[in-house]
Amino acid sequence: QSVLTQPPSVSAAPGQKVTISCSGSSSNIEKNYVSWYQQLPGTAPQLLIYDNNKRPSGIPDRFSGSKSGTSATLGITGLQTGDEADYYCGTWDSSLSAVVFGGGTKLTVL
Amino acid sequence: EVQLVESGGGLAKPGGSLRLSCAASGFTFSNAWMSWVRQAPGKGLEWVGHIRSKNHGGTTVYAAPVTGRFTISRDDSKKTVYLQMNSLKSDDTAVYYCTTEVTTRINALEVVSRGYSDDWGQGTLVIVSS
Repeated sequence: QSVLTQPPSVSAAPGQKVTISCSGSSSNIEKNYVSWYQQLPGTAPQLLIYDNNKRPSGIPDRFSGSKSGTSATLGITGLQTGDEADYYCGTWDSSLSAVVFGGGTKLTVL
Repeated sequence: EVQLVESGGGLAKPGGSLRLSCAASGFTFSNAWMSWVRQAPGKGLEWVGHIRSKNHGGTTVYAAPVTGRFTISRDDSKKTVYLQMNSLKSDDTAVYYCTTEVTTRINALEVVSRGYSDDWGQGTLVIVSS
């Protein structure tokens, strides 16, 4: 059971937009920065979004992040088949004194 | 270019031990907080713990499931971080990733984790089975 809650799967057609939610609590998301990772099949996770809404260099602006209260959202526009991957949210939990992750969301581009 | 290369994975028996290594290059290793994150087969990511840089105390923090069994250490002269795993259980079967954990200074005396990792190794598989 993950500390952060994500939907197990989402799907959308190429070119469309999708959002992935991440729900937490006052000890993690509400107090701390949220990050998002993309894990393509058979590879290591890659940082996609940090500090709620910032993109590392090389990450296209089709990917965006936002946070409100105890929830965060990853948005992906202009979906491509290459975006099919597992997406994870993460943050620091001040009560657990640990980094915590969501259970992951599998994105299917139909 | 940042590179993190894990090694030492393999098959271990329940109750046994294994030591993972992560060789780093491409950044100032001695200033970095290093962490281990694992992923059980078909499952999500789980933070194992981190070790602070020596100038921030060099201390360690662990996730509850591994506290008392796993130990993270570092050798700055070799730019290497280690994960010593003892009393292994079948639940420890996973790919183990070495990462650089980003920090933030919150006051003149205190630096804390920002809660994310910006660089990841390719991972090493640990299987615990009799």
